[in-house]
Amino acid sequence: QKEVEQNSGPLSVPEGAIASLNCTYSDRGSQSFFWYRQYSGKSPELIMSIYSNGDKEDGRFTAQLNKASQYVSLLIRDSQPSDSATYLCAVGLSSGSARQLTFGSGTQLTVLP
Amino acid sequence: NAGVTQTPKFRILKIGQSMTLQCAQDMNHNYMYWYRQDPGMGLKLIYYSVGAGITDKGEVPNGYNVSRSTTEDFPLRLELAAPSQTSVYFCASSHPPYEQYFGPGTRLTVT
Repeated sequence: QKEVEQNSGPLSVPEGAIASLNCTYSDRGSQSFFWYRQYSGKSPELIMSIYSNGDKEDGRFTAQLNKASQYVSLLIRDSQPSDSATYLCAVGLSSGSARQLTFGSGTQLTVLP
Repeated sequence: NAGVTQTPKFRILKIGQSMTLQCAQDMNHNYMYWYRQDPGMGLKLIYYSVGAGITDKGEVPNGYNVSRSTTEDFPLRLELAAPSQTSVYFCASSHPPYEQYFGPGTRLTVT
């Protein structure tokens, strides 16, 4: 069974600090990796996608992928209270026509003012 | 662009009733998906479609049905509602390769 594991948290960091969120996956055929942010009572919002090993930066967000170790992480620099949300890791396979994603259960992040 | 829209936002059903959750997208995406999310859990795929007239089961399809007669619309039908179907339902769409965009969700309670 394809699995995506995340620490459920909650993870608390002070404002201005770096928040580090981790995700591991079981299927070595996985080729695409996503981070979604979900505010309480709202729908998931795509914030990062990464397809190749290494780092990908977008503003205060950096996604890191290591396929050999089967983990993907999200770093949030200069964390703000508005970053307080649940972060969902999602993983997709390269094969098949459906382009299905498998989601982790999410990590709840709280940024303390 | 409205993106992905869902109706209704909230609904309370009695056990045994049926209903249809509506989903529409205006991005001309071929791929559409239905998920459910239970409290503190990730998203579970119910059904998906790779184009008009083509649908297939996901991880948790029991108790649900779908149809896809147009590119824009992907309704989800609940037959004989049960308390286990109390959840938040999200519709999503994507254009290859993978990035999925979600609608605002429907919060369903079955009592």
